[in-house]
Amino acid sequence: AAGVIQSPRHLIKEKRETATLKCYPIPRHDTVYWYQQGPGQDPQFLISFYEKMQSDKGSIPDRFSAQQFSDYHSELNMSSLELGDSALYFCASSSPDRGLYEQYFGPGTRLTVT
Amino acid sequence: AQSVAQPEDQVNVAEGNPLTVKCTYSVSGNPYLFWYVQYPNRGLQFLLKYITGDNLVKGSYGFEAEFNKSQTSFHLKKPSALVSDSALYFCAVRDSGYSSASKIIFGSGTRLSIRP
Repeated sequence: AAGVIQSPRHLIKEKRETATLKCYPIPRHDTVYWYQQGPGQDPQFLISFYEKMQSDKGSIPDRFSAQQFSDYHSELNMSSLELGDSALYFCASSSPDRGLYEQYFGPGTRLTVT
Repeated sequence: AQSVAQPEDQVNVAEGNPLTVKCTYSVSGNPYLFWYVQYPNRGLQFLLKYITGDNLVKGSYGFEAEFNKSQTSFHLKKPSALVSDSALYFCAVRDSGYSSASKIIFGSGTRLSIRP
């Protein structure tokens, strides 16, 4: 079965650089979520999109922005990177219209800021 | 606000023995509860969910969880542990917002270690 695809899987950036993370949801899933998991931490919700509109917002820094495109894929844009942004970034997708509620996670993008 | 708590940072069990990973929840309204597992350098895998219905929920890899409303608990269980079950387990709750894309709130995680 198709899963959530994230790219790149690993990314190394320097401080003050920008990064773009991509997420391709499971086919026919219309909702995308972004989470950040720091070392030894539980995943923290950043932002979500439903039908290409921002749906919910969590602890996402102002330096970060995201959007969902017409094909339902999503991109997380991160600017002025800081050392503390080093983390595993997960994308998840779900299909609320089908009442499934559970979110299916991608393998994550490991971002290292040096 | 919705929240879940996992009181144990680590659980150690011998292979073949039953295992329990504890989780308690605090919600307003109906609880939508989940268990996820994370293997090293891997993403989060959905194990099972409780939305409504039977209090005993069966999930992937032989895991099950028991929803207990009076104790506000949702413990993860397995009758016979395997070494391959060693991983990080997260209890989670769906936020109660009316958004069509309500976020999931995770517990702090419990590291399960199964010794041969």
